[in-house]
Amino acid sequence: EVQLVESGGDLVQPGGSLRLSCTASGFTFSSYWMYWVRQAPGKGLVWVSRINGDGTTINYADSVEGRFTISRDNAKNTLYLQMNSLSAEDTAVYYCARTNYFFDYWGQGTLVTVSS
Amino acid sequence: DIVMTQSPDSLAVSLGERATINCKSSQSVLYSSNNKNYLVWYQQKPGQPPKLLIYWASTRESGVPDRFSGSGSGTDFTLTISSLQAEDVAVYYCQQYYSSPITFGQGTRLEIK
Repeated sequence: EVQLVESGGDLVQPGGSLRLSCTASGFTFSSYWMYWVRQAPGKGLVWVSRINGDGTTINYADSVEGRFTISRDNAKNTLYLQMNSLSAEDTAVYYCARTNYFFDYWGQGTLVTVSS
Repeated sequence: DIVMTQSPDSLAVSLGERATINCKSSQSVLYSSNNKNYLVWYQQKPGQPPKLLIYWASTRESGVPDRFSGSGSGTDFTLTISSLQAEDVAVYYCQQYYSSPITFGQGTRLEIK
């Protein structure tokens, strides 16, 4: 059974940092592109970042470019999102999702709240 | 970026009646070499992640009830629920995966009338 479990969400002050993790199981993790998608409270879905199977191709949404870093450790079946210089606009549930053209599996999400 | 626009923003339908949600893309998401539309529909219930319903615009995901169907091609797509059930109350999103970045519609909230 495919499972994606996010962790690391927390309350953080503006300007602070946080690292999210997504632990995968039930499939060959290194064979898939992985995404981070976020959803602000009461809002829609927005892609944040993506990484290919071997970590050599990475893309970011303009809104997080230069502040967020996506990475993966295929030996640990884990996807990461390092988030720096956080602002209130980054408050959201962050989902990791497996991509097979489309998102066929999603994690349950982890809540990041940026507030003083 | 391809802009995805859903209509309506919200919809109230009686139990057992048909619900129709539309999705329009700012450019075609039909890939001519394989004649596939790179369009997917998700269902999201409160407090849950999105759930895959329909991919390639009209292929139902395994386990999804057959009252859900997808249609359309090019730039205009429709998600139809043939006979609304109480458990179908949710927000529905379309998304294109034709080109990067992937983009979502703004969502359509479906409620019981």
